[in-house]
Amino acid sequence: DTAVSQTPKYLVTQMGNDKSIKCEQNLGHDTMYWYKQDPKKFLKIMFSYNNKELIINETVPNRFSPKSPDKAHLNLHINSLELGDSAVYFCASSQDLGSEKLFFGSGTQLSVL
Amino acid sequence: GESVGLHLPTLSVQEGDNSIINCAYSNSASDYFIWYKQESGKGPQFIIDIRSNMDKRQGQRVTVLLNKTVKHLSLQIAATQPGDSAVYFCAEKFGAGSARQLTFGSGTQLTVLP
Repeated sequence: DTAVSQTPKYLVTQMGNDKSIKCEQNLGHDTMYWYKQDPKKFLKIMFSYNNKELIINETVPNRFSPKSPDKAHLNLHINSLELGDSAVYFCASSQDLGSEKLFFGSGTQLSVL
Repeated sequence: GESVGLHLPTLSVQEGDNSIINCAYSNSASDYFIWYKQESGKGPQFIIDIRSNMDKRQGQRVTVLLNKTVKHLSLQIAATQPGDSAVYFCAEKFGAGSARQLTFGSGTQLTVLP
């Protein structure tokens, strides 16, 4: 029943590894997002997709690659993980690009050792 | 070495009292504002929103006030309850089309004391 669900909830990995975070929304929304929350709780947008198409790509290292196989899914793959990638990553969705309200998943706590 | 911790503004209120959380937004062209609540271990959850053509909007136990002159937004919570303890974020939107995105401010940690 969860509207926006992301897995895993916790991810602990070594520097240099590659990892993926998955996100699915069952709200029938067209637009999905990835946000990064740093240890000081600051939330910053990374990517947004509309109907599987990349719309926003903020200044994020190209080690981060989003993939949207269909409009209900937006996965985040991270190559060559670095210590500074440790953060909480949130997936979100909105009805469409023009919709103001975002619905967030419960987050993935990534710890890079 | 240096210890890194949370340096969120904090607000502690007694249960039953009213809370006022303030936010200064950055862009005078912003035309939409939204408050989110984030409980520990969870994602941000919508509370209330307001457009720039309004200066006040009320929800259930919450009121948002907008002062465009000084670029200030506030969230008032009436009769604060323990379940209101969370980090509260304001966010703004400006621009159009693909450039229009939600920009979050720094949060405020609200703690409700018994």
